[in-house]
Amino acid sequence: GAGVSQSPSNKVTEKGKDVELRCDPISGHTALYWYRQSLGQGLEFLIYFQGNSAPDKSGLPSDRFSAERTGGSVSTLTIQRTQQEDSAVYLCASNRDSRNYGYTFGSGTRLTVV
Amino acid sequence: GENVEQHPSTLSVQEGDSAVIKCTYSDSASNYFPWYKQELGKRPQLIIDIRSNVGEKKDQRIAVTLNKTAKHFSLHITETQPEDSAVYFCAASSGNTGKLIFGQGTTLQVKP
Repeated sequence: GAGVSQSPSNKVTEKGKDVELRCDPISGHTALYWYRQSLGQGLEFLIYFQGNSAPDKSGLPSDRFSAERTGGSVSTLTIQRTQQEDSAVYLCASNRDSRNYGYTFGSGTRLTVV
Repeated sequence: GENVEQHPSTLSVQEGDSAVIKCTYSDSASNYFPWYKQELGKRPQLIIDIRSNVGEKKDQRIAVTLNKTAKHFSLHITETQPEDSAVYFCAASSGNTGKLIFGQGTTLQVKP
């Protein structure tokens, strides 16, 4: 596609429920990153995928968070048993590859846990 | 791992004045330093970047300088305009993964 597409744009969920957030990167981009931005805060790295390599999961805040990338394209971030502190904007970005080109971010998913 | 500190957290200037935002990083192996602008409710967008083999880069009213020895880099905006008002984030790459570690952001307000 022309840009990084994320869905849904907004998600309200009850505490304890599981949620799935989707990211469709720019066609041909092999690197994909997930970040979390809490209200008024910076961008917190969560996880990184590069081609067929094992993902870098070093930023995932707990084992309730997981992500996968199928077929080297679409990625899904799953949060299990959501907590109120999970409320944030989840941003996905893609890159041509890992050689330090500027990311292109999606518009994000605003997650609200009530 | 990499750590990026950004200052100031807020900055208010008069239209036409210059604005400077500074960042320091911890990992001497970092070699790529982009700056992103995020307008309210929108996605971060890349505005300028610099690689470790150069000390300065300019693009119209914006410039970035890099001091590898001191491990700091700065964003300079000249002749500021109200539409420059936004949150600005610096970042540094971590190794060769392309993974960016971001500073905490600077809210820039340009008063007309």
